[in-house]
Amino acid sequence: KNEVEQSPQNLTAQEGEFITINCSYSVGISALHWLQQHPGGGIVSLFMLSSGKKKHGRLIATINIQEKHSSLHITASHPRDSAVYICAVGDAGGTSYGKLTFGQGTILTVHP
Amino acid sequence: GAGVSQSPSNKVTEKGKDVELRCDPISGHTALYWYRQRLGQGLEFLIYFQGNSAPDKSGLPSDRFSAERTGESVSTLTIQRTQQEDSAVYLCASSFLYEQYFGPGTRLTVT
Repeated sequence: KNEVEQSPQNLTAQEGEFITINCSYSVGISALHWLQQHPGGGIVSLFMLSSGKKKHGRLIATINIQEKHSSLHITASHPRDSAVYICAVGDAGGTSYGKLTFGQGTILTVHP
Repeated sequence: GAGVSQSPSNKVTEKGKDVELRCDPISGHTALYWYRQRLGQGLEFLIYFQGNSAPDKSGLPSDRFSAERTGESVSTLTIQRTQQEDSAVYLCASSFLYEQYFGPGTRLTVT
């Protein structure tokens, strides 16, 4: 069973700051997902990646398969980025690749 | 519809009663997942349907929990003889390949 650890658990930033959230996992995966959950809201998939780096607007996600580590970066952070960010990994191999194991989440608060 | 829908959005039930939660996935999505999020805790995998394959039920916490899916459409999660520890938000997601699209969840409160 994969163990997924996120850090930090809580993060407070001032608007405009560069933010990094880290995720590490213990065994090989099919893919890694970064999810965003707003208070009282649903969950949105931000990125799914199995290698390298992806960028979407002010968000960047990287993964190092050898080190079993991923980072989510937010450039020029804004109060609307305040949310819980969740790292999740998919089982490797077979037909269970869709089964996700989740980190505990990082609560991000961005102050104006 | 445009996204994954779930019903009801909220459900309050008495301990010992059975409940059924419904998920309507995005049309054409072959995979469907159920997750649970208890208050203050992370998401937990419950069950996963992929096409016509046997479902992966490895996350179901007890035999009081079961789920069915009709073809590649609607799924129902049933919890029998509910307990207070079953109180949580139950989330459904669907996917065609790897990326999962989440529904808004059903908030279940067992009193």
